[in-house]
Amino acid sequence: IQMTQSPSSVSASVGDRVTITCRATQAIGTWLAWYQQKPGRAPKLLIYTALTLHSGVPSRFSGSGSGTDFTLTINNLQPEDFATYYCQQTDNFPPTFGQGTKVEIK
Amino acid sequence: EVQLVESGGGVVQPGGSLRLSCAASGFNFDDYTMHWVRQAPGKGLESVSQINWDGSDTYYAASVKGRFTVSRDKNKDSLYLQMTSLKTEDTALYYCARAAFGGNSYGLDVWGQGTTVIVSS
Repeated sequence: IQMTQSPSSVSASVGDRVTITCRATQAIGTWLAWYQQKPGRAPKLLIYTALTLHSGVPSRFSGSGSGTDFTLTINNLQPEDFATYYCQQTDNFPPTFGQGTKVEIK
Repeated sequence: EVQLVESGGGVVQPGGSLRLSCAASGFNFDDYTMHWVRQAPGKGLESVSQINWDGSDTYYAASVKGRFTVSRDKNKDSLYLQMTSLKTEDTALYYCARAAFGGNSYGLDVWGQGTTVIVSS
């Protein structure tokens, strides 16, 4: 299963809403996770089963979608949110990742 | 504190071998499926391998199948990745990660800091 994210990068300002999409080449139900990775750091799990926030993740992050199309939304973008975001299908092995979306400061 | 610490990375020539280790602490290691994920310099994330709680089930990415072997030692709370016939395209930062809630469907909730493998002549 291949995962395609768009856009590859987005420039935004503090307080903006950012939306990242992820598309799977076949239906995966809601077996999708989202991660945040900052430079030089390991990825952090944000969301699993498409819309469930992982423990400790701020509520400004939200996920939606099912089947082949998914969305990660960040409301009220904060300085600490500038990072690269990856989706990952968890339906079967290998649990493939999208290519990443870099959220940059405008 | 829940923690994963990788070690064993280094510089190796093409065709060589390396064994990565991942020491787990702060949780019941036996309860969790574990993963190896790698990230080539400046690139995205790639799933390499996974192993279930007791080691009876293993999976490998097509790019490493037949060359890499994943294993675990419950007595040492450790995960391993034996890498042979290394290629330059195996150069990457290798992370070990824990499957959330023990299974494979909920993402990877704990990651190590990674260990760097460089394959170069």
